[in-house]
Amino acid sequence: DAKTTQPNSMESNEEEPVHLPCNHSTISGTDYIHWYRQLPSQGPEYVIHGLTSNVNNRMASLAIAEDRKSSTLILHRATLRDAAVYYCILISVYGNEKLTFGTGTRLTIIP
Amino acid sequence: EPEVTQTPSHQVTQMGQEVILRCVPISNHLYFYWYRQILGQKVEFLVSFYNNEISEKSEIFDDQFSVERPDGSNFTLKIRSTKLEDSAMYFCASSGPSGGANIQYFGAGTRLSVL
Repeated sequence: DAKTTQPNSMESNEEEPVHLPCNHSTISGTDYIHWYRQLPSQGPEYVIHGLTSNVNNRMASLAIAEDRKSSTLILHRATLRDAAVYYCILISVYGNEKLTFGTGTRLTIIP
Repeated sequence: EPEVTQTPSHQVTQMGQEVILRCVPISNHLYFYWYRQILGQKVEFLVSFYNNEISEKSEIFDDQFSVERPDGSNFTLKIRSTKLEDSAMYFCASSGPSGGANIQYFGAGTRLSVL
């Protein structure tokens, strides 16, 4: 599995933007970049995914570097409900394979 | 919005007993998964299931574990003889048709406590 590297933890003030980085220098051309998050005492939850272009949805934005070796999940206006562990995961475009979770980034939101 | 449902939310059992964890995946999904998370540790893949058979399993998924889709809606994980180290949160997930981005939707989990 192609590996991702994320900071162990980050803090942000409520109502400010948050940029969560992920390095994936060994990404292949056929890997999607997925982000999931896990709120306390809940199951993982899909956030966003992309392949080459930047993506926006109602939860977040995903900025993908031109060489695809890194990406950034952007929460435009963090709320207390966004406190969670965020996982960056690479998934092949072929087939419905397992998700391999790392330790992710624990995001703390300061009121 | 469709969701994955897991029951029970908490299961307490004695070591050596059999347990069955139940999941109702999203109705038009074709791929089904079980993961587990021991307290304070990473989410770990156990098994994936497609077209009524196991498509991949991890080293954790030994002969004590089995999965079944007994009807068109349920997906179950059975642990034949539970051990203390089986205590964990067990998450079921499902994903849609083949191809595409393989977005997996997770249930809220079953907390298994083996005494």
